[in-house]
Amino acid sequence: EDQVTQSPEALRLQEGESSSLNCSYTVSGLRGLFWYRQDPGKGPEFLFTLYSAGEEKEKERLKATLTKKESFLHITAPKPEDSATYLCAVRENTGNQFYFGTGTSLTVIP
Amino acid sequence: DTEVTQTPKHLVMGMTNKKSLKCEQHMGHRAMYWYKQKAKKPPELMFVYSYEKLSINESVPSRFSPECPNSSLLNLHLHALQPEDSALYLCASSQGGLAGYAALEQYFGPGTRLTVT
Repeated sequence: EDQVTQSPEALRLQEGESSSLNCSYTVSGLRGLFWYRQDPGKGPEFLFTLYSAGEEKEKERLKATLTKKESFLHITAPKPEDSATYLCAVRENTGNQFYFGTGTSLTVIP
Repeated sequence: DTEVTQTPKHLVMGMTNKKSLKCEQHMGHRAMYWYKQKAKKPPELMFVYSYEKLSINESVPSRFSPECPNSSLLNLHLHALQPEDSALYLCASSQGGLAGYAALEQYFGPGTRLTVT
């Protein structure tokens, strides 16, 4: 069965303390891997799409990377406003269905 | 423009009421989705429409009835809901079909916070 697993479940960082979030996946054929940010009570906000192993995308303090089995979201020198839940999702080669991980809740302490 | 709009933002309804949630996008996307999200959980897929036809129904109870009147609109009709149906209901859209490497990501609306009393 297709599966997306994110770790850690929760992460507390001091402001400026860089770290990485992990998303591991098992799907029969990956069409795309997606990272979203979600603030409490709001819809997920799209961050990145990664299509193939070795690909990297960057946006401000965030950098997403992809291997054949997992993706990392690297957060460099985080600020309190980066506090949110980060969701990973994958889409298979066939169909329109997205499979979500359970998310990592990030708290950045000033 | 990558905006998906949802109305209403908040809805409180009794177990005997009938109400509808609405979703709209103007990105030319041909796949539209309804998700249910409980607190501290990931979005849970309910329905997928592809080219205005229902393509996925994740065994959702019949008290939830989706409708896709055209390629830009998606409705979710609610009837005789239970308190456990209280949640954030999210609409999303993406490019449908299997062609090439066009942008595949989903864009989400802000959600409707539903409370069933």
